[in-house]
Amino acid sequence: LAKTTQPISMDSYEGQEVNITCSHNNIATNDYITWYQQFPSQGPRFIIQGYKTKVTNEVASLFIPADRKSSTLSLPRVSLSDTAVYYCLVGSEYGNKLVFGAGTILRVKS
Amino acid sequence: ETGVTQTPRHLVMGMTNKKSLKCEQHLGHNAMYWYKQSAKKPLELMFVYSLEERVENNSVPSRFSPECPNSSHLFLHLHTLQPEDSALYLCASSQDGGTEAFFGQGTRLTVV
Repeated sequence: LAKTTQPISMDSYEGQEVNITCSHNNIATNDYITWYQQFPSQGPRFIIQGYKTKVTNEVASLFIPADRKSSTLSLPRVSLSDTAVYYCLVGSEYGNKLVFGAGTILRVKS
Repeated sequence: ETGVTQTPRHLVMGMTNKKSLKCEQHLGHNAMYWYKQSAKKPLELMFVYSLEERVENNSVPSRFSPECPNSSHLFLHLHTLQPEDSALYLCASSQDGGTEAFFGQGTRLTVV
């Protein structure tokens, strides 16, 4: 897996849009970018995955610039229940060890 | 429900006990993983079974022993554990080792 760098923590308020950026300068041509969400005492949950440009689902959007050296997870109108740790992973379609970094602790306040 | 089931959800064991954690996935995946997560620490990858090959983290003590009898089941056998082994143990699966993985709810292990 390519090395990734994320902010350690972020604070936000309910109703705001939150953007979490991940740097992955050594991303390979066949690598995808995947984001997970983890609540305390639970396993991580897959949120979204993309290769380039923009991907959107019912939970979040993922923005990937043309050089693919970074990506931004966008959470629209966060609520208190979005308080969690968010992880960015970069890897190919197969054969990954799935090593997670420290992630970004998002705290949503009322 | 993610399609990955771990049992038991909670386990308290003495340092001289032997116990096993079980993971079962109903997703048809062919790669399975064990992770350890201590309090307020990142996930630590312990073992990977992918395409019938086992990959392990060399820092995992031998008191942890994995077993993968088939692509749907994964076990973690525990013996003579230490109090510092108390943690949340998570199982995950993916197809071909891809980065879209599904996790179980975990087993909260306490060693006394």
